[in-house]
Amino acid sequence: GENVEQHPSTLSVQEGDSAVIKCTYSDSASNYFPWYKQELGKGPQLIIDIRSNVGEKKDQRIAVTLNKTAKHFSLHITETQPEDSAVYFCAATGGKLVFGAGTILRVKS
Amino acid sequence: SQTIHQWPATLVQPVGSPLSLECTVEGTSNPNLYWYRQAAGRGLQLLFYSVGIGQISSEVPQNLSASRPQDRQFILSSKKLLLSDSGFYLCAWSVGLPGPEQFFGPGTRLTVL
Repeated sequence: GENVEQHPSTLSVQEGDSAVIKCTYSDSASNYFPWYKQELGKGPQLIIDIRSNVGEKKDQRIAVTLNKTAKHFSLHITETQPEDSAVYFCAATGGKLVFGAGTILRVKS
Repeated sequence: SQTIHQWPATLVQPVGSPLSLECTVEGTSNPNLYWYRQAAGRGLQLLFYSVGIGQISSEVPQNLSASRPQDRQFILSSKKLLLSDSGFYLCAWSVGLPGPEQFFGPGTRLTVL
């Protein structure tokens, strides 16, 4: 089955800097890669996703890149703000979603 | 638009007591429904999923069970809670094939004492 590894487990950045979170997956049949943001005590919120026929997708300050050959994908957040502080999860699926372990992002003001 | 509700929001139960958590979805028909557990604020473990009324697939053997009595209602139950059942329980929904574009509810914080 699919296995997703996510790095780093924690990330601290200064407000205004960029943040990058990376994930690798094992199943070459996976074709959908979402990213979720979870604030304390709340359910995860889908923030951006990418499908296997696309290499990059942007939505304002966030972007996701996918390298199918290397089987890894990344979340990029530019001009970070304190409200970006949260836990971020990547996931991959060709059928059932398999999640990474999460990254705690702290944006210091 | 679609919305997903979970209740209760928090629950404290003694070991050995029964459990019933409820999830309902509005604004869509025949959704796929999922129960996840999240321990220690990290990691999402899929417990059950359902593609239709009365259809339940279990992902891991455990002390819990799930039921889907109505199209947009999903219930997580236990006859006797264990300490290890403590955690944050999340319900999610999707349309189409199981997997893509899952949307999560607000969650239920369960503490077993």
